[in-house]
Amino acid sequence: AQSVSQHNHHVILSEAASLELGCNYSYGGTVNLFWYVQYPGQHLQLLLKYFSGDPLVKGIKGFEAEFIKSKFSFNLRKPSVQWSDTAEYFCAVNSGGYQKVTFGIGTKLQVIP
Amino acid sequence: DGGITQSPKYLFRKEGQNVTLSCEQNLNHDAMYWYRQDPGQGLRLIYYSQIVNDFQKGDIAEGYSVSREKKESFPLTVTSAQKNPTAFYLCASSLNKNSNQPQHFGDGTRLSIL
Repeated sequence: AQSVSQHNHHVILSEAASLELGCNYSYGGTVNLFWYVQYPGQHLQLLLKYFSGDPLVKGIKGFEAEFIKSKFSFNLRKPSVQWSDTAEYFCAVNSGGYQKVTFGIGTKLQVIP
Repeated sequence: DGGITQSPKYLFRKEGQNVTLSCEQNLNHDAMYWYRQDPGQGLRLIYYSQIVNDFQKGDIAEGYSVSREKKESFPLTVTSAQKNPTAFYLCASSLNKNSNQPQHFGDGTRLSIL
């Protein structure tokens, strides 16, 4: 069975600080990895995804994530956060040949102006 | 604009009643999903459907039922057998069943028990 761990449940940063949110998954085979974001009052939307190729993936709004297979990790990063990045971030993994995605419990990011 | 519409936004249920949550999509997606979101537990899969007239149980299907009679519609019924139905319910869709397809989400329905 696949599972996802997000280590930071609540993160508070000042504007311009660097961000790294941890995500680890448990499945040993081929995986597809996603980060979703939920801004206050909005629906969940895709931030970025990895399914093959370059392990460093760039997404919207300056976010990137690096797939490290040996560490079963897919950490989300942003060099300099903005107040508008305040949101809840979910890591998700899909393994196998069908669309059954497992989500992490989410990380709430609060950026202080 | 294409998207997913969930209704109602807020729903109240009395003990012992069944309620049905609506989910409609105009994205022409084959696959649709229902999730339950609880604080500190992330999203948990209730049911999913990869194609019309077919659906599969997710991780927490007990006390729920679905139908997929039309491609664009995937209603979820919360039955009286669901012991803890108060939650935020999210509907999603994806282009097809391929595992690299991202999911598109609706705005959710918040269900509360009176």
